[in-house]
Amino acid sequence: EVQLVESGGGLVQPGGSLRLSCIASGFTFSNYWMNWVRQVPGKGLMWVSRINNDGSSTTYADSVKGRFTISRDNAKNTLYLQMNSLRAEDTAVYYCGRGGVNATIDYWGQGTLVSVSS
Amino acid sequence: EIVLTQSPGTLSLSPGERATLSCRASQSVSSSYLAWYQQKPGQAPRLLIYGASSRATGIPDRVSGGGSGTDFTLTISRLEPEDSAVYYCQHYGYSPEYTFGGGTKVEIK
Repeated sequence: EVQLVESGGGLVQPGGSLRLSCIASGFTFSNYWMNWVRQVPGKGLMWVSRINNDGSSTTYADSVKGRFTISRDNAKNTLYLQMNSLRAEDTAVYYCGRGGVNATIDYWGQGTLVSVSS
Repeated sequence: EIVLTQSPGTLSLSPGERATLSCRASQSVSSSYLAWYQQKPGQAPRLLIYGASSRATGIPDRVSGGGSGTDFTLTISRLEPEDSAVYYCQHYGYSPEYTFGGGTKVEIK
């Protein structure tokens, strides 16, 4: 069974940093692209970042480019999102998701809430 | 940048009825990269349809997708109470790589 479990969310002040983790199980992690998607509570979905299977290629939404860094450790089956210079508008539930067929996100974690507030 | 506009915002229907959800792209997109997701309250999204019309694993055949170019639809025939959710369309392209529509909420009366 495919499982994705995020952690690392919490309350942080504006300008602060946070690192999210996503531990994968039930599939060969190193074979798949991975994504981060966020959702402001009660609002829609917004894609944040994508990394290819070996970590050599990464892409970001314009709103987080230069502040967020996606990475992975295939030996630990873990995806990361380093978030720096956090802003109030980064407050959201952050989901990790596996890249699936036809560039979909076929499995999602349960999400971790990041709150940026003073 | 491609914008996906979903309509209606909310759909209120009775069990057994058919729901037709629309997703319109701001420019023509490849149907190969058009997907639909279902999200129930407090849950993560679930992939329903990929390639505009192919059902994901475990999705019942009363759920179907179609369309091409700029206009795509998700149809749920014979609505059941468990179909109450928000449905999102999504496209994979460039800058940003993944774009989501604003969602359609389906309410079962």
